[in-house]
Amino acid sequence: EVQLVESGGGLVKPGGSLRLSCAASGFTFSNAWMSWVRQAPGKGLEWVGRVKINTDGGTTDYAAPLKGRFTISRDDSKNTLYLQMNSLKIDDTAVYYCTALVATVNGFDFWGQGTLVTVSS
Amino acid sequence: SYVLTQPPSVSVAPGKTARITCGGIHIGSKNVHWYQQKPGQAPVLVIYYDGDRPSGIPERFSGSNSGNTATLTISRVEAGDEAGYYCQVWDSSSVHYVFGPGTKVTVL
Repeated sequence: EVQLVESGGGLVKPGGSLRLSCAASGFTFSNAWMSWVRQAPGKGLEWVGRVKINTDGGTTDYAAPLKGRFTISRDDSKNTLYLQMNSLKIDDTAVYYCTALVATVNGFDFWGQGTLVTVSS
Repeated sequence: SYVLTQPPSVSVAPGKTARITCGGIHIGSKNVHWYQQKPGQAPVLVIYYDGDRPSGIPERFSGSNSGNTATLTISRVEAGDEAGYYCQVWDSSSVHYVFGPGTKVTVL
């Protein structure tokens, strides 16, 4: 059974930083492109960014508004995905979902339960 | 960047058919994926590559995609189908994954 378990969410002040983690199991993590998707309270889904597998270059892509503030990385030895968020803004308040792209690299097969990030003074 | 449109809400009686549309310029040339999200839960992939169903998704869920509209069809609707539904595509020109705004399906 595929499991994606996010952690690291919480309350942070504007301008602060936070690092989210996602522990993966139930599939070959090193063979899966991984992504973060977020959802502000009462709003729709918004793609955050993606990291490819190492044999595809291990490169990252980000939603344009977030580029430069957010960084995605992966540790295949730990089956873990990370999201480093800097210079956080109130508008970054959202549930952040870890997703795995397995059957297709342009859709999100599996989702974690999400972790809430609240940016507030 | 690429924009997807969805109706905000669709209402359907139990046992009837719900059709949720997803509009986008030449969306028929893209692969469309659909997600179901129930309140307080994470989204679940229900249709990928326009019309394929992941393991465990009932055959009542089907999808089609042509021209400027993709459609998610839910046949023989049940109370448990009440949820938000989001379409999604990969936009290669902007290197972005794009979601539609979502459609709230209400079972009457």
